[in-house]
Amino acid sequence: QAVVTQEPSLTVSPGGTVTLTCGSSTGGVTSGHYPYWFQQKPGQAPRTLIYDTSNKHSWTPARFSGSLLGGKAALTLSGAQPEDEAEYYCLLSYIGAKVFGGGTKLTVL
Amino acid sequence: QVQLQQWGAGLLKPSETLSLTCAVYGGSFSDYYWSWIRQPPGKGLEWIGEINHSGSTNSNPSLKSRVTISVDTSKSQFSLRLSSVTAADTAVYYCARASRLDPWGQGTLVTVSS
Repeated sequence: QAVVTQEPSLTVSPGGTVTLTCGSSTGGVTSGHYPYWFQQKPGQAPRTLIYDTSNKHSWTPARFSGSLLGGKAALTLSGAQPEDEAEYYCLLSYIGAKVFGGGTKLTVL
Repeated sequence: QVQLQQWGAGLLKPSETLSLTCAVYGGSFSDYYWSWIRQPPGKGLEWIGEINHSGSTNSNPSLKSRVTISVDTSKSQFSLRLSSVTAADTAVYYCARASRLDPWGQGTLVTVSS
């Protein structure tokens, strides 16, 4: 089974920009992996932010964007807010299965 | 607006079978795949599997031998059975529509303890 890798933790200053990445043990991540990004705050269920690389749900703040960057899926947060402090997970699709990354704990400090 | 409501036993003994059901209200049931996802306490998310209205399934290879996902289109419901549970299966289990992974069910905490 493929392994999906994320940075364990990142820190961003309020108002700053940070990029979280999502890599695959099988090689470069492409749009064919239909990357997803989820945000989870303590004690809450995950919430889908981005689907199919870069598509946003109606509730996804405009400061979040998804892309492919250097062979990985990327989630960029531009203009970080204190409420963006959370765990972020990516999900990649493979033939017959989907795999979550281990999550990135994002601190806004 | 589509809503998912899930239910099932919350406390199991080792070797028993976990059984959860998720009902879909509103929207089309037949047009989508429907997923199960779990999260052990303090740990990350794990994709369990998915099913469509005709019963076509995909599942996590690491769980495949123990997982059964089924569907009842007449009731717009899908179910998860996980056999021979151990403490490692203790988790919050979620159902979700696979398309755009939204919406999600409310989650069910399943605890495996002797």
